[in-house]
Amino acid sequence: DADVTQTPRNRITKTGKRIMLECSQTKGHDRMYWYRQDPGLGLRLIYYSFDVKDINKGEISDGYSVSRQAQAKFSLSLESAIPNQTALYFCATSGGGSYNEQFFGPGTRLTVL
Amino acid sequence: GESVGLHLPTLSVQEGDNSIINCAYSNSASDYFIWYKQESGKGPQFIIDIRSNMDKRQGQRVTVLLNKTVKHLSLQIAATQPGDSAVYFCAEAQRWGSNYKLTFGKGTLLTVNP
Repeated sequence: DADVTQTPRNRITKTGKRIMLECSQTKGHDRMYWYRQDPGLGLRLIYYSFDVKDINKGEISDGYSVSRQAQAKFSLSLESAIPNQTALYFCATSGGGSYNEQFFGPGTRLTVL
Repeated sequence: GESVGLHLPTLSVQEGDNSIINCAYSNSASDYFIWYKQESGKGPQFIIDIRSNMDKRQGQRVTVLLNKTVKHLSLQIAATQPGDSAVYFCAEAQRWGSNYKLTFGKGTLLTVNP
C-alpha cells in the first residue's frame, strides 16, 4: 500500500549492530504498529502506538525499541541485532472505526548474520 | 490442516474452480474476524471481515463463513484466478481498551494453476 512506506526494503547486517527500520504513512492515522513475520508463524506484534505520546509493548518486544517521532512516523530499532531477529518486518496503521482495520506497508526484509 | 514448524498449509486449485480456505480461531470473545491476502513481496491486504454476530458475509467473489460453535472461519473464493495466488491469513480482533488487538493465524498458501 503506497500510503504506508517502509525503509529500507532489504537490509543485511551483522550480529551486534544497531539497526533502525523506518515507517511513514500518509493516511493520517493515529495508530501505528510494528509486526514481525517468520515463516509458518504468521504476524506477531512487537510494539504499537495509539498516538505520538502513547507507546506500548506487544507480545514480542524484547530486543526491540520504538520511537514515534510524529503522527506519520514510527521507527523500530534493534539495539544489538542477533541472528534470530532475521525476519520480515511490517509496519501497519489504523485510524479507528469498527475494529480499527489495519493497513500494512510493503515490509522490510532483515537478515542478521 | 494445521501448520507444523515452518510449513504452511497449502491449497492448489485449477483456474476457474472455487477455493475454500479454512481457519480455526481460539478466542470466543473476539468481536471481528478478518481475512488478509499477502502476495509475494508485499504486505498483507484486507479482503473481507465479519462481525461475531454474523454467520456469513459476501463480497466480490469472496464469501466468509463463521461457525462460532466450533470456532471455525472459512474464506470461499469463487472462480479462482491466477491473481488470487497468495498467502491468506485469518485474524481475530479482540477489544483491547479503546483499540482492538489483532491475532493472526499462520496462513494458507493458495496456488492457482492455469
